[in-house]
Amino acid sequence: GAGVSQSPSNKVTEKGKDVELRCDPISGHTALYWYRQSLGQGLEFLIYFQGNSAPDKSGLPSDRFSAERTGGSVSTLTIQRTQQEDSAVYLCASSLEVGRGGTEAFFGQGTRLTVV
Amino acid sequence: KNQVEQSPQSLIILEGKNCTLQCNYTVSPFSNLRWYKQDTGRGPVSLTIMTFSENTKSNGRYTATLDADTKQSSLHITASQLSDSASYICVVSAKAAGNKLTFGGGTRVLVKP
Repeated sequence: GAGVSQSPSNKVTEKGKDVELRCDPISGHTALYWYRQSLGQGLEFLIYFQGNSAPDKSGLPSDRFSAERTGGSVSTLTIQRTQQEDSAVYLCASSLEVGRGGTEAFFGQGTRLTVV
Repeated sequence: KNQVEQSPQSLIILEGKNCTLQCNYTVSPFSNLRWYKQDTGRGPVSLTIMTFSENTKSNGRYTATLDADTKQSSLHITASQLSDSASYICVVSAKAAGNKLTFGGGTRVLVKP
């Protein structure tokens, strides 16, 4: 596609339910990032993929959060047993590999998750 | 550890006034630094890129500076407009392959009439 695509754009879920957020990066972009923005807060790093591997997952806030990437393309961020504090906008970005011209991150529109 | 720190976290300015946002980084070896603007409800979009040899670069009313010695960058907004209300994010790239981009937390700017 022309840009980074995230789905759904909005998700309302009940506390305790599991949710899956999807990110479809720009074709050929090997680097993929997940971030989140809680209301009134700045960007919070979650996880970084290079290809299908995740060399940096240090930002995942708890073991309820997991992410995978298959085929070096689509990534899924899964939140299990959602809590109200998980409510945030989840942003995905992709880039070419750093060191191989990958200096610009292209962001999706984000998924706004609301846990009620 | 590569880090990017932005300040202030948020600021409010009156329409027509100027403001300056700061970005300090510890990314090494440094390749370049980008400033992004994120309008409400949208993903961030690149405003300007600064490489090691560049000190100043302008994009309309936005002027970015870079001091590679002190590892600091600033984004200056001149004659602010209501449309400048957004989050501004600093992202630094290292030269070495395999390194990830390092993002700052952003500065939220609110321009009031």
